[in-house]
Amino acid sequence: QKEVEQNSGPLSVPEGAIASLNCTYSDRGSQSFFWYRQYSGKSPELIMFIYSNGDKEDGRFTAQLNKASQYVSLLIRDSQPSDSATYLCAAGGTMEYGNKLVFGAGTILRVKS
Amino acid sequence: DAGVIQSPRHEVTEMGQEVTLRCKPISGHDYLFWYRQTMMRGLELLIYFNNNVPIDDSGMPEDRFSAKMPNASFSTLKIQPSEPRDSAVYFCASSLVGVAKNIQYFGAGTRLSVL
Repeated sequence: QKEVEQNSGPLSVPEGAIASLNCTYSDRGSQSFFWYRQYSGKSPELIMFIYSNGDKEDGRFTAQLNKASQYVSLLIRDSQPSDSATYLCAAGGTMEYGNKLVFGAGTILRVKS
Repeated sequence: DAGVIQSPRHEVTEMGQEVTLRCKPISGHDYLFWYRQTMMRGLELLIYFNNNVPIDDSGMPEDRFSAKMPNASFSTLKIQPSEPRDSAVYFCASSLVGVAKNIQYFGAGTRLSVL
């Protein structure tokens, strides 16, 4: 069973701090990794995707990938109350799984003002 | 682009009734996915299609569930007969294989309540 593991949280950070969200995956063949944000009662919304080892930055968000450790993270700088949501990590692109993604259970982030 | 469009947004039905959920993928996308989300089980993949052909339906919980994609712009997920344990939010997502491979775009979802 291919799995993506996340700490369910909640992760509480003060406004303006850096929020660090982590994710591990079991399938070494995974080639693409995604972070989705889901507000309560809404659908998942893509925040970041990363395919190569290292860091990828987009505004206040940085995705980090370490394939040797099978580890993906999302850093949110200058956290805002509007960042409070559930963050879903997903992995995919394996030969076995084609275009499927395997989603983690999500981490609840709460940014306190 | 209007994004992935799902209907209805909310559905309340009684146990034993047939329920049909509808999805229009993003124009030009060649993959379509049906997911179910509950608090207990998270986001589960039910079935996905490539170029209108079902590729993997191993996530479909039982024979009461069926899905079709008669053309590139329309898919349905049917539950017959429905049961209270089918109550969940059902999402449809679509993607396009290419440079931005595997990126899935989700519809707003259908919240199903089976009484």
